[in-house]
Amino acid sequence: ETGVTQTPRHLVMGMTNKKSLKCEQHLGHNAMYWYKQSAKKPLELMFVYSLEERVENNSVPSRFSPECPNSSHLFLHLHTLQPEDSALYLCASSQVGWGAAQYFGPGTRLTVL
Amino acid sequence: AQTVTQSQPEMSVQEAETVTLSCTYDTSENNYYLFWYKQPPSRQMILVIRQEAYKQQNATENRFSVNFQKAAKSFSLKISDSQLGDTAMYFCAFMKPRYGGATNKLIFGTGTLLAVQP
Repeated sequence: ETGVTQTPRHLVMGMTNKKSLKCEQHLGHNAMYWYKQSAKKPLELMFVYSLEERVENNSVPSRFSPECPNSSHLFLHLHTLQPEDSALYLCASSQVGWGAAQYFGPGTRLTVL
Repeated sequence: AQTVTQSQPEMSVQEAETVTLSCTYDTSENNYYLFWYKQPPSRQMILVIRQEAYKQQNATENRFSVNFQKAAKSFSLKISDSQLGDTAMYFCAFMKPRYGGATNKLIFGTGTLLAVQP
């Protein structure tokens, strides 16, 4: 595997379910990001992990819970989501240096029924 | 607050022709980074080009080049010899300076959907 991978690619869940999104980067980076992409809206940064420490949480509801066990893996745990949470969730990674480009995974298309 | 504006929601170009996508941004910072990303129908966001504001020379990557006008706060993307595989949504993004341990934060525009016609 190369680059940034995400699983699953598609997920349909009910409002009472618990599921997790997984992201893995094979680029030797040490910062990882979760973004939400909704139709007709700019990408929204959700969480940032730098050197495995969460350094940013952009007022994301607690029903989204990130986890970064090491610099190569990032999870987004989901529980009791709302239909408005349906979106494309993108993971990205980069070096921690300022100006470093972020490299994205293919995304998980989430549908909440 | 920094903002990024892409005023062209959709554009179309014939194969082999040249097209320019516009992007303007608003900031009071003197140094920063600018990026163009493309997102084809497969949804994977792909880095196209990166520009540091401190450098006046326009960045180039093969058929992709930028026209960076710092005073006008303009950062347009030119695609030469357009190919069918260039069909995608193109996003302009701004990265502001970091202070005191802040993280790299990208601020994205709303995108321009480019269709390359055969």
